Amino acid sequence: KAGVTQTPRYLIKTRGQQVTLSCSPISGHRSVSWYQQTPGQGLQFLFEYFSETQRNKGNFPGRFSGRQFSNSRSEMNVSTLELGDSALYLCASRTAWGLEAFFGQGTRLTVV
Amino acid sequence: GQQLNQSPQSMFIQEGEDVSMNCTSSSIFNTWLWYKQDPGEGPVLLIALYKAGELTSNGRLTAQFGITRKDSFLNISASIPSDVGIYFCAGPNSGGGADGLTFGKGTHLIIQP
Repeated sequence: KAGVTQTPRYLIKTRGQQVTLSCSPISGHRSVSWYQQTPGQGLQFLFEYFSETQRNKGNFPGRFSGRQFSNSRSEMNVSTLELGDSALYLCASRTAWGLEAFFGQGTRLTVV
Repeated sequence: GQQLNQSPQSMFIQEGEDVSMNCTSSSIFNTWLWYKQDPGEGPVLLIALYKAGELTSNGRLTAQFGITRKDSFLNISASIPSDVGIYFCAGPNSGGGADGLTFGKGTHLIIQP
């Protein structure tokens, strides 16, 4: 069974631009969540999607948004990028009833 | 929000040694998850614990769910070079998991040959 796939692996963007990251969950997993990982703050929950609906969002500004498609694939968007948005963005998927989250390899975003 | 405190922050050990690390919380968790992250990769789930007092093994790894439900422990026996990495404990922010996971800051394991 294929794992969680995130694209692209690396991205360099300029301040003020916007970016879209993609995540394909494990087959059969309908829940997809996103995390931001930085050296200072560690791993922080961004939001979770289930059946195309955002169920919850962490303490992040409105510039961070996402969506989920009918095939459970998810995208995350960050608008008006700031230098502090540089981070490893991780996507995780889980079954509808399970608490165990399985992570992708992440997208390394660098904002210059 | 909830916070998880992991200790030690770093461990420098010799190959073949046993390793112990722990995770504590000020609030009760109903599930504890342990992950390992290699540089440039996403966290990989090692062990999941669901019941207070539970002891679960995965090869050379053993994890325990503390009876107070506010702590968990991870032990690695006979460490080998591929055990190097960052170990995270995590717990769900809500019972159903829809609020995502809270992670500790991690324990960096470094093995000296």
